[in-house]
Amino acid sequence: GENVEQHPSTLSVQEGDSAVIKCTYSDSASNYFPWYKQELGKRPQLIIDIRSNVGEKKDQRIAVTLNKTAKHFSLHITETQPEDSAVYFCAALSNTNAGKSTFGDGTTLTVKP
Amino acid sequence: EAGVAQSPRYKIIEKRQSVAFWCNPISGHATLYWYQQILGQGPKLLIQFQNNGVVDDSQLPKDRFSAERLKGVDSTLKIQPAKLEDSAVYLCASSLTRGRETQYFGPGTRLLVL
Repeated sequence: GENVEQHPSTLSVQEGDSAVIKCTYSDSASNYFPWYKQELGKRPQLIIDIRSNVGEKKDQRIAVTLNKTAKHFSLHITETQPEDSAVYFCAALSNTNAGKSTFGDGTTLTVKP
Repeated sequence: EAGVAQSPRYKIIEKRQSVAFWCNPISGHATLYWYQQILGQGPKLLIQFQNNGVVDDSQLPKDRFSAERLKGVDSTLKIQPAKLEDSAVYLCASSLTRGRETQYFGPGTRLLVL
């Protein structure tokens, strides 16, 4: 089955700096890669996603890149703000494997003011 | 548009007792997922329904966990008997269909097994 590894597990940056979180996946059939933000005690919420026919997608301060050959994708947050502090999860879904979704173990991002 | 609803929000039980969780997905969403999220880990898929049929339950501990979605709308997840290691947040999510579609999560049920 699919295996998703996420790094780093914790990340601390100064306000205004950039943050990068990386995920690798094992199943070449995976073709949809969402990123979720989860604040303490709250539900995961989708912040950005990318499909396998696209190499990069950007939404304001957030961008995601996908390298299908190397089977990795990354989340980039620029100009970080204290409210970006949360746990971020990547996931990989395969349309051929019943649409099964596999999540990474999360990255705890702390943005210091 | 109403979001995914779950109840109860919190549950405390003793080991060997049984517990049930309920989920109502977003109207019109064919796919429903149950995840287990242990503290400090990512959500782990337990079972996935497409309408009222199971499409994946490979990680569901079937000796103690069961789930159903009889009318293809709301769903229940049951644990019987519960073990200490079942303490976790149980998240329900739904999507329009399976695969390349956004999943929307409910608020979760926080279970503590003593």
